[in-house]
Amino acid sequence: EPEVTQTPSHQVTQMGQEVILRCVPISNHLYFYWYRQILGQKVEFLVSFYNNEISEKSEIFDDQFSVERPDGSNFTLKIRSTKLEDSAMYFCASSPSSLLDTQYFGPGTRLTVL
Amino acid sequence: GDSVTQMEGPVTLSEEAFLTINCTYTATGYPSLFWYVQYPGEGLQLLLKATKADDKGSNKGFEATYRKETTSFHLEKGSVQVSDSAVYFCALAGGGSNYKLTFGKGTLLTVNP
Repeated sequence: EPEVTQTPSHQVTQMGQEVILRCVPISNHLYFYWYRQILGQKVEFLVSFYNNEISEKSEIFDDQFSVERPDGSNFTLKIRSTKLEDSAMYFCASSPSSLLDTQYFGPGTRLTVL
Repeated sequence: GDSVTQMEGPVTLSEEAFLTINCTYTATGYPSLFWYVQYPGEGLQLLLKATKADDKGSNKGFEATYRKETTSFHLEKGSVQVSDSAVYFCALAGGGSNYKLTFGKGTLLTVNP
């Protein structure tokens, strides 16, 4: 069964450094998402992406964040200058063509900012 | 804005016990409702969903009914197994947004043999 994959599973970085989290969505899906979950808190929406542009973003998704689909398979989340409060589990998800369709999630990348 | 409130855990049950995890929501419009499950070390997996009022979603013995009058989507299972131990997330999509899922905080379920 096709699945969403994410790399790395765990990333440790120093405050102020740039990180890129990578995701490979399910191949025939058209909508892509990033969510995060700070330890002990809710899973929070960051951004959705369709047709090579951002469809919607949350207040969390400020200028420090960017997303890109650099080729036909990868979907990346970049954090330009990490802060301590960016430490969280980051989930990538994808869904087929229609809006409100089921989103399929990857296993997550745990980001630790020191 | 949209929000989901679910019963906080942890919930610990014995095998074959009855499970209820409460979930209520606030949303504009007519959202779709979901239960996702996260097994240890894995990503979020869709467990079941309902897209309109009075719909019942079901999967793997789990059920939830979309109750518009009480804005609820409670998860139930008649007889839990050890393999059901996981974190369960209630979520909604739609409402004020066409794209994002809004999640509850998650409920950790542990089932003992």
